Amino acid sequence: AQSVTQPDIHITVSEGASLELRCNYSYGATPYLFWYVQSPGQGLQLLLKYFSGDTLVQGIKGFEAEFKRSQSSFNLRKPSVHWSDAAEYFCASLGGTGTASKLTFGTGTRLQVTL
Amino acid sequence: KAGVTQTPRYLIKTRGQQVTLSCSPISGHRSVSWYQQTPGQGLQFLFEYFSETQRNKGNFPGRFSGRQFSNSRSEMNVSTLELGDSALYLCASRAGFPYEQYFGPGTRLTVT
Repeated sequence: AQSVTQPDIHITVSEGASLELRCNYSYGATPYLFWYVQSPGQGLQLLLKYFSGDTLVQGIKGFEAEFKRSQSSFNLRKPSVHWSDAAEYFCASLGGTGTASKLTFGTGTRLQVTL
Repeated sequence: KAGVTQTPRYLIKTRGQQVTLSCSPISGHRSVSWYQQTPGQGLQFLFEYFSETQRNKGNFPGRFSGRQFSNSRSEMNVSTLELGDSALYLCASRAGFPYEQYFGPGTRLTVT
């Protein structure tokens, strides 16, 4: 069974500092990977996705992620964090085929931004 | 294009009652999935519907059921509510596989 691991439960960074959130996946076939962000009491917003091709993918809000097959990782990065980036971030992989597919989520990383 | 909508946004029920949650997908999306989010268990997959048929099911008891209508709108039902069913229930839609899923704002269910 596939699994997604986010090793960091909580991260605090200063506004303007760089950010890297870690994600490791376990899946035998080519993974489809996603990063979502959730503000308190809200649904999930898609930041970016990786299906194939270029291993560095760009997303919304200045985020990017790099897929590294050798390390089974899909880490999320941002060069300069803004106070509005404070939220919970979820890494997810899509498993299954066709219409019988589902997202498996990591446990999330809560990002706190200090001014 | 309008996003995924869920109604109601908040719900308070008593243990033993049943509840129905509704989800309207993005126009043109035929797949609807449901997820439960709790602080202890995180985000867990409930089921997925495509063209009115349940295509995949997570590891939840039979008290959790759903259906999808011909217009792709979906409903989720939980019977005989338990305190542990208190959660944020999220609906997501997608155009197909392996396209990304877009989530609604969720329904916050509180069981007392």
